[in-house]
Amino acid sequence: EAGVVQSPRYKIIEKKQPVAFWCNPISGHNTLYWYLQNLGQGPELLIRYENEEAVDDSQLPKDRFSAERLKGVDSTLKIQPAELGDSAVYLCASSLSRWGGRDTEAFFGQGTRLTVV
Amino acid sequence: TQLLEQSPQFLSIQEGENLTVYCNSSSVFSSLQWYRQEPGEGPVLLVTVVTGGEVKKLKRLTFQFGDARKDSSLHITAAQPGDTGLYLCAGGSNYKLTFGKGTLLTVNP
Repeated sequence: EAGVVQSPRYKIIEKKQPVAFWCNPISGHNTLYWYLQNLGQGPELLIRYENEEAVDDSQLPKDRFSAERLKGVDSTLKIQPAELGDSAVYLCASSLSRWGGRDTEAFFGQGTRLTVV
Repeated sequence: TQLLEQSPQFLSIQEGENLTVYCNSSSVFSSLQWYRQEPGEGPVLLVTVVTGGEVKKLKRLTFQFGDARKDSSLHITAAQPGDTGLYLCAGGSNYKLTFGKGTLLTVNP
């Protein structure tokens, strides 16, 4: 079974330019997460989807970041315009959330390393 | 806000030594996961614990969930260079995962 697939693996852009990341979750997983990870730190949640609905986007900087999950499967995360401080690894994860709230085991993609110059 | 604190932040040991890393919170979680992350890769799930006092073993790794479901520990016996990586704990509650900052373990041959 294929895992979570992210693309691109690496991206270098100039500040003020737009950038987009793509994620294909594990088939059948209804929950999708986007995390930001700075070097030597743990992942920080940006947004969580349940199917196509964004149920937690409280940590998403909405002035420049946007995300969508059309048809409740693939997702894209966009930054426009990018700033130097956005340089980080952007991780996508998915999980199969069942009744009871205990099945929050997340499976991660390899991430996209963004460098803004 | 639920916070998870991991300690130590960095740990460098020799091959064959034993070690324990800790994950503590003031919040109660319905489950707690441990992940290992290698450079350039995403975190990989090692184990999930859900019951207070639960102990799980995965070869040389022993995971324990505190009785009050607020803290956890990971013990590695006879560490090997292949154990090197960033160990992350994550608390689960209502489908939300909150991660600690991790313990960066280096096992020297």
